[in-house]
Amino acid sequence: KAGVTQTPRYLIKTRGQQVTLSCSPISGHRSVSWYQQTPGQGLQFLFEYFSETQRNKGNFPGRFSGRQFSNSRSEMNVSTLELGDSALYLCASSLGTGSRYGYTFGSGTRLTVV
Amino acid sequence: LAKTTQPISMDSYEGQEVNITCSHNNIATNDYITWYQQFPSQGPRFIIQGYKTKVTNEVASLFIPADRKSSTLSLPRVSLSDTAVYYCLVGDTNFGNEKLTFGTGTRLTIIP
Repeated sequence: KAGVTQTPRYLIKTRGQQVTLSCSPISGHRSVSWYQQTPGQGLQFLFEYFSETQRNKGNFPGRFSGRQFSNSRSEMNVSTLELGDSALYLCASSLGTGSRYGYTFGSGTRLTVV
Repeated sequence: LAKTTQPISMDSYEGQEVNITCSHNNIATNDYITWYQQFPSQGPRFIIQGYKTKVTNEVASLFIPADRKSSTLSLPRVSLSDTAVYYCLVGDTNFGNEKLTFGTGTRLTIIP
């Protein structure tokens, strides 16, 4: 079956702009999580959605937001981009929420802010 | 908040068994432990998951002591293709709001 699909794979934006990233989970998976990965901070949890509701949220500013649609697809939005937002953004899907469920990750979106 | 600690890096020769340990002193009763493998510019890939004692699949084994404050990922007979970063993931339950926390990761280098 198809894996987790993230689009676009690469993105270059200018400081101050906003960006929207998309994630299509594995069919049947209702939970979608987002992570930011940078060389300095490693993998940091952004938020998790389940059945269109945000269930968990990491320690990121309000410029980072997300949503989930009825078909479980999710989008992440970052407004007023800063240079420090340059990172690999990863999406993961699972059947449910919590550490008892194995998560399947996408290949990520590489965002570069210039 | 649960915090996980792993060695930053490890080297091993091909064909050897590699054991990577993750420390998670504040693991909660309902939390599971999951290990992932990540290659450059790719998302982490699920390796194995456990709650207690020992779990084994076709690629690895996971050992969890009775107190569950640590876990050890065991890779048998490693090859060059096992060179990657390995992450330990533990649920982080705070006031019922479980946040999944990745460890710092262990960069494993397999030497021919």
